[in-house]
Amino acid sequence: EVQLVESGGGLVEPGGSLRLSCAASGLPLSSFEMNWVRQAPGKGLEWVSYIGTGGTNIYYADSVRGRFTISRDDAKNSLYLQMSSLRVEDTALYYCARDLPGEPAGSFDIWGQGTVVTVSS
Amino acid sequence: IRMTQSPSSISASTGDRITITCRASQNINTYLAWYQQQPEKAPKLLIYAASTLESGVPSRFIGSGSGTDFTLTISCLQSEDFATYYCQQYSDYPRLFGPGTKVDIK
Repeated sequence: EVQLVESGGGLVEPGGSLRLSCAASGLPLSSFEMNWVRQAPGKGLEWVSYIGTGGTNIYYADSVRGRFTISRDDAKNSLYLQMSSLRVEDTALYYCARDLPGEPAGSFDIWGQGTVVTVSS
Repeated sequence: IRMTQSPSSISASTGDRITITCRASQNINTYLAWYQQQPEKAPKLLIYAASTLESGVPSRFIGSGSGTDFTLTISCLQSEDFATYYCQQYSDYPRLFGPGTKVDIK
């Protein structure tokens, strides 16, 4: 069974840092383009970041650029999101999601269950 | 690129036909996807490339449109279809989602 499992969420104070992980099972992460998407409590979906295969192309939402860093370790079949200078408005459920393989890429066909990040003093 | 959806909510009954509209602020060709999200669940891909049904998705879900105007039609609402629906463009970065349309029981 193909599965993505996020971890690393928690409670952090404003200005703090957190590293999220997304472990893949049943699929070789190295072959796929990956994303982070978040959802604030009671709100809609917000795309956060993308990383291409081999880490060659990386993109961020304006709201997180300069504070968040996406990376991947294909040997560990894992995706990461390093979050720093966290703000109250970063509070959300964070999902990792796979780009649907093939062309055109850009829709997300496999999602994890999410990990909750709460930024509060 | 900005994405809008209308209506923001729909009250409907099982068996109804409903249509949700998604509009992009500029031409995105057919680089549009639709997702369904049940409460407390991760989103589920329904349609990509504006009109291509994802594997395993029932044929009552129909996507259409190109350019800036798109629609998602559910031809005969089933009980499991009461959920929130999002469109998403992937013509360019950022890969924006629409604000969502909640479909609830009348």
